[in-house]
Amino acid sequence: AQSVAQPEDQVNVAEGNPLTVKCTYSVSGNPYLFWYVQYPNRGLQFLLKYITGDNLVKGSYGFEAEFNKSQTSFHLKKPSALVSDSALYFCAVRPKGSGNTPLVFGKGTRLSVIA
Amino acid sequence: GAGVSQSPSNKVTEKGKDVELRCDPISGHTALYWYRQSLGQGLEFLIYFQGNSAPDKSGLPSDRFSAERTGGSVSTLTIQRTQQEDSAVYLCASSSGNPDQPQHFGDGTRLSIL
Repeated sequence: AQSVAQPEDQVNVAEGNPLTVKCTYSVSGNPYLFWYVQYPNRGLQFLLKYITGDNLVKGSYGFEAEFNKSQTSFHLKKPSALVSDSALYFCAVRPKGSGNTPLVFGKGTRLSVIA
Repeated sequence: GAGVSQSPSNKVTEKGKDVELRCDPISGHTALYWYRQSLGQGLEFLIYFQGNSAPDKSGLPSDRFSAERTGGSVSTLTIQRTQQEDSAVYLCASSSGNPDQPQHFGDGTRLSIL
């Protein structure tokens, strides 16, 4: 069965510094990978996805993520953090060839950007 | 609107009562999903509808939980004889028929059982 691990419950970073939110996955075969952000009292908002091709994918609000097949990782990054980036971040996976089956989510990482 | 709509946004009810939660997916989306999110926790899959196929109910935690999707569009999640442990945010998501596309989420229903 597929799974996602987000090893850090909380990440703190100073405004203007680069940020990384870690994600590793376990899936049979090749994955579709997704990152979402959740602000208080809101649903999850899609940030970016990896489907195939270039290992570095760019998404909304200046976020990017790098797919590393050998390390089964898909870490979320941003060169310069903003206070407004403070939120809960979720990584998710779906095996290729599984159709439209539900995404499997990690437990989430709370990002706090300090001014 | 263009997004997934859920109602009510908040629901407070007494233990033992039945509740119905509604989800309006994005028009044209064939897949619809229900998840549960407990305070500060990740997402727990509940049930999944894909077109006219039988739903995947493998995530429902007990037989008090059921869901239906009428006409391939609106879905209702019903919880019978609610318990305090049912208190959570219930999130609905929809997606197109392409597996490389993301799920789009509503803002959820916050359910509190007294």
